[in-house]
Amino acid sequence: GQNIDQPTEMTATEGAIVQINCTYQTSGFNGLFWYQQHAGEAPTFLSYNVLDGLEEKGRFSSFLSRSKGYSYLLLKELQMKDSASYLCAVRDRNQAGTALIFGKGTTLSVSS
Amino acid sequence: KAGVTQTPRYLIKTRGQQVTLSCSPISGHRSVSWYQQTPGQGLQFLFEYFSETQRNKGNFPGRFSGRQFSNSRSEMNVSTLELGDSALYLCASRNPPRDSTYEQYFGPGTRLTVT
Repeated sequence: GQNIDQPTEMTATEGAIVQINCTYQTSGFNGLFWYQQHAGEAPTFLSYNVLDGLEEKGRFSSFLSRSKGYSYLLLKELQMKDSASYLCAVRDRNQAGTALIFGKGTTLSVSS
Repeated sequence: KAGVTQTPRYLIKTRGQQVTLSCSPISGHRSVSWYQQTPGQGLQFLFEYFSETQRNKGNFPGRFSGRQFSNSRSEMNVSTLELGDSALYLCASRNPPRDSTYEQYFGPGTRLTVT
């Protein structure tokens, strides 16, 4: 079957670095996404990994290891506005189109 | 360019009723996907439409249905509402095959409450 696990909650302080882990099991991996969702708002795209390695985009980086079924999202120089839910999602090649399987999200609280 | 729009934003229905939600994708986007988000289950895929055809369907009962029109606007319908259908329903659009990252753009959602 398909399963995605990520921690439920994390806390950090302004200026710090935080790493949000995601492990997944899927029969036909075809890409991993990270989305950010502020309370009451729509999810917004952060990153996409389909090959092993690190993708860096400003303060955010995402890493993928397909052999381990593992990804992480790294947030540097944390700001208060980074307080949000972070969703890990996997695309399965056994499904047509863009169906994504989401984890339940990690709620990150950034304090001053 | 305008984003994905969903109407209505909030809706209250009673058990047994049916409801229709609407989604207008970003101009030029031909793929529309629907998701249900609840605190307990998180975001779950409902179905995807592309060029008026359903491409994929999640694991939801037949009470959940959808369609897409020639202008790419999409509707989803839930019949015989149950209390457990209370959720945020999100619509997302993209423009295959040009978008190789499969990035989806989400709308603000429709908050459905079933009493």
